[in-house]
Amino acid sequence: QLQLQESGPGLVKPSETLSLTCIVSGGSISSSDYYWGYIRQPPGKGLEWIGSIYYTGNTYYNPSLKSRVTISVDTSKNQFSLKLSSVTAADTAVYYCAKHKYPNWGPDYWGQGTLVTVSS
Amino acid sequence: QSVLTQPPSVSGAPGQRVTISCTGGSSNIGTSYDVHWYQQLPGTAPKLLFYGNANRPSGVPDRFSGSKSGTSASLAITGLQAEDEADYYCQSYDRSLRAWVFGGGTKLTVL
Repeated sequence: QLQLQESGPGLVKPSETLSLTCIVSGGSISSSDYYWGYIRQPPGKGLEWIGSIYYTGNTYYNPSLKSRVTISVDTSKNQFSLKLSSVTAADTAVYYCAKHKYPNWGPDYWGQGTLVTVSS
Repeated sequence: QSVLTQPPSVSGAPGQRVTISCTGGSSNIGTSYDVHWYQQLPGTAPKLLFYGNANRPSGVPDRFSGSKSGTSASLAITGLQAEDEADYYCQSYDRSLRAWVFGGGTKLTVL
């Protein structure tokens, strides 16, 4: 059964770079059937798509975050990663990794999420 | 301010029927882009409830139904149960923003 597990620091200082990795198990990240993405949810608020990647390395970013976001894939380790630069308190959120079938479709499966707090 | 508009809250007694609306515009729901629905139980990750406007993944009870018309979509829940108490989100794609967009979420309370 497919599992997605986010990993990374739970606390990041303002102006620094947030880095997360999503480890995929029970399935291949190199499958041509799926895309892989990140979504975040500030405490008590709604969902925001950050961006997605295909196993070939093609990326799709939310224009509102594009200048600060980099998503990469490592097929040899069956994982994909998120980097968000110049973070502020507004970037404090639960970050989810997820898989989806088409570039325009939302996720059909989500990781459990990890809380990242931006604070000095 | 979310691109897709949902009521902040709805409520109903056990056994009743409730509907949750999701209103968008001509650059998202009003185009050919599909609407998907997610259920988020307290303290957990969202779970796919409907995809492609009205398709139910295996394991989702048929008490849940989805529809889309014009620039809006709806989620209906019949035979309301206590376990349905959760936050519900709609999602689509916006061709002007070139991004996924989510509704602000609706908190369902089972009285």
